[in-house]
Amino acid sequence: DAGVIQSPRHEVTEMGQEVTLRCKPISGHDYLFWYRQTMMRGLELLIYFNNNVPIDDSGMPEDRFSAKMPNASFSTLKIQPSEPRDSAVYFCASSPPFNYEQYFGPGTRLTVT
Amino acid sequence: KQEVTQIPAALSVPEGENLVLNCSFTDSAIYNLQWFRQDPGKGLTSLLLIQSSQREQTSGRLNASLDKSSGRSTLYIAASQPGDSATYLCAVSRVDSNYQLIWGAGTKLIIKP
Repeated sequence: DAGVIQSPRHEVTEMGQEVTLRCKPISGHDYLFWYRQTMMRGLELLIYFNNNVPIDDSGMPEDRFSAKMPNASFSTLKIQPSEPRDSAVYFCASSPPFNYEQYFGPGTRLTVT
Repeated sequence: KQEVTQIPAALSVPEGENLVLNCSFTDSAIYNLQWFRQDPGKGLTSLLLIQSSQREQTSGRLNASLDKSSGRSTLYIAASQPGDSATYLCAVSRVDSNYQLIWGAGTKLIIKP
């Protein structure tokens, strides 16, 4: 298995632009998580899905952030408009049914100038 | 509110030594505890998962223990190698939301050849 796939690996954008991060979970996994990691705040859970349905989005910082999971093999995290304080590494992770281990992707390093 | 603390923030030891990493949490009502490893510029890799009913888990040179009553977990690494150099994070899951992890800030481990 290729593991969790994230794209792009690096994104540099200007303040005010829309940013879309993409994730392909491991096949057969029914949970998908979006995290953000910064030096100041560490790892933060933004939102997670079960069977493509958002379960808890209380970690999404603002209305500028939105996430979708249109099918079991694809999810997006969108930031519109982006701000410099959104600069961070964004991770996607997935879990198989009845197993709480989380498998992480390599992350997307976002820089907003 | 659950808080997870890892001390020390950084640790440097000579190759071959046995070492212990510490993790403490403030609320003993957890579902499980997980240890992860993060290499620079990469995602996280799950090392060990301990269910709340368990006392320890072992994988190769790694042994993780859990004492829920005292709010502590340790990760023991035997015969350390330079390849063990990484940041080690622990995370606990909430009883009311088994998949939501609350993260420590990590211990950065350097094994000197």
